[in-house]
Amino acid sequence: SYELTQPPSVSVSPGQTARITCSGETLPKQFVYWFQQKPGQAPVLVIYKDTERPSGIPARFSGSGSGTTVTLTIAGVRAEDEADYYCQSADSSNNWVFGGGTKLTVL
Amino acid sequence: QVQLVESGGGVMQPGRSLRLSCAASGFSFTDHPMHWVRQAPGAGLEWVAVISYDGSNKRYLDSVKGRFTISRDNSKNTLFLEMKSLRREDTAVYYCVRYGADGSVPFDYWGRGTLVSVSS
Repeated sequence: SYELTQPPSVSVSPGQTARITCSGETLPKQFVYWFQQKPGQAPVLVIYKDTERPSGIPARFSGSGSGTTVTLTIAGVRAEDEADYYCQSADSSNNWVFGGGTKLTVL
Repeated sequence: QVQLVESGGGVMQPGRSLRLSCAASGFSFTDHPMHWVRQAPGAGLEWVAVISYDGSNKRYLDSVKGRFTISRDNSKNTLFLEMKSLRREDTAVYYCVRYGADGSVPFDYWGRGTLVSVSS
């Protein structure tokens, strides 16, 4: 089955930039979405259609990339950004798929 | 504001059935397709099923086809997931998720989830 690959964990100090990658064969042809999930809470959309930011999401969150790897960048990381982050896209049959998730630790 | 409130979860033995509900409010329910997405303990997210705005079209994850049925009652702004022949691997938090009306965002608002635990 189709998979989206994310690093299991990323660690940064407050104020630094965190970069979380997501890799998949169909990413050049499918939009990517990013979700933030804090412990015990529902996921929250932070980036849609590769680079767009929903209203209410801080400007320090951005999406980028092309080809088979895309990146969620969090600039000036704050303690409140510590969470699991999931990318989501679709396979060649337009079935929705999520990445395995990346745990962001703010040191 | 958009609210999605799931209910119906619990502890069930393998092979039994369970029906989940999701009460929607704060938006025009009939304008949106709806999903169920699940998350096993300590694991990632897995899409389970989607239903069109009027209930005429449905799609399922292969591993739940023939066992799970998604449905909706637009008169009551409620989404359902009928789960039969439950397996241990169905143990998860089940989230009700809204599909953006313009199709640009497949999963835009999520409920808090309801836990289904399948165990003998």
